[in-house]
Amino acid sequence: QQQVKQSPQSLIVQKGGIPIINCAYENTAFDYFPWYQQFPGKGPALLIAIRPDVSEKKEGRFTISFNKSAKQFSLHIMDSQPGDSATYFCAASNPSGSARQLTFGSGTQLTVLP
Amino acid sequence: KAGVTQTPRYLIKTRGQQVTLSCSPISGHRSVSWYQQTPGQGLQFLFEYFSETQRNKGNFPGRFSGRQFSNSRSEMNVSTLELGDSALYLCASSFRIGNTGELFFGEGSRLTVL
Repeated sequence: QQQVKQSPQSLIVQKGGIPIINCAYENTAFDYFPWYQQFPGKGPALLIAIRPDVSEKKEGRFTISFNKSAKQFSLHIMDSQPGDSATYFCAASNPSGSARQLTFGSGTQLTVLP
Repeated sequence: KAGVTQTPRYLIKTRGQQVTLSCSPISGHRSVSWYQQTPGQGLQFLFEYFSETQRNKGNFPGRFSGRQFSNSRSEMNVSTLELGDSALYLCASSFRIGNTGELFFGEGSRLTVL
């Protein structure tokens, strides 16, 4: 019940395309859903995050769509650029007593071709 | 503002040995979490420390331990190393416990066990 399932495992798009990465969860206690971007040799960096009371959030070219009833959320990257090539992780956070922990999806390796 | 600093960046150990990894959080951040990243298992939560106390623990054997000092710096220790412990160990800091998932990750310590 703590799993977050992410797909696809890898994705290749042309520059300007709109890659979409999907995640699904089971635990209804999750109340915060961040996306992280990781470049080779670097740690993950927070990209954008959403709470379940919002159906969509945009930050620049990045958009999260959230479907609470389906327990699914997705990341869309508008006008993708080669510099967006990285591994993307969705995650879900729930309170555990006084602490929080992130449960990560398995990651999507995105390649944007020039 | 300096980011999360992890040392050492790379290390090689043999089975049975032990290892200590260090993490200096962002100045002012009091919560430190540790994650293990492997190609097969992805990012998995190890533990979180706040005010020198372990507040949350993931599903890892007792060989994995950690501590936090009064200046919020943290160390994690893995004893009796196994081949499967080869991974990138990531430290993340946040301002306070019970955060919304906005973790700031270091670049990791890559451990190879031979």
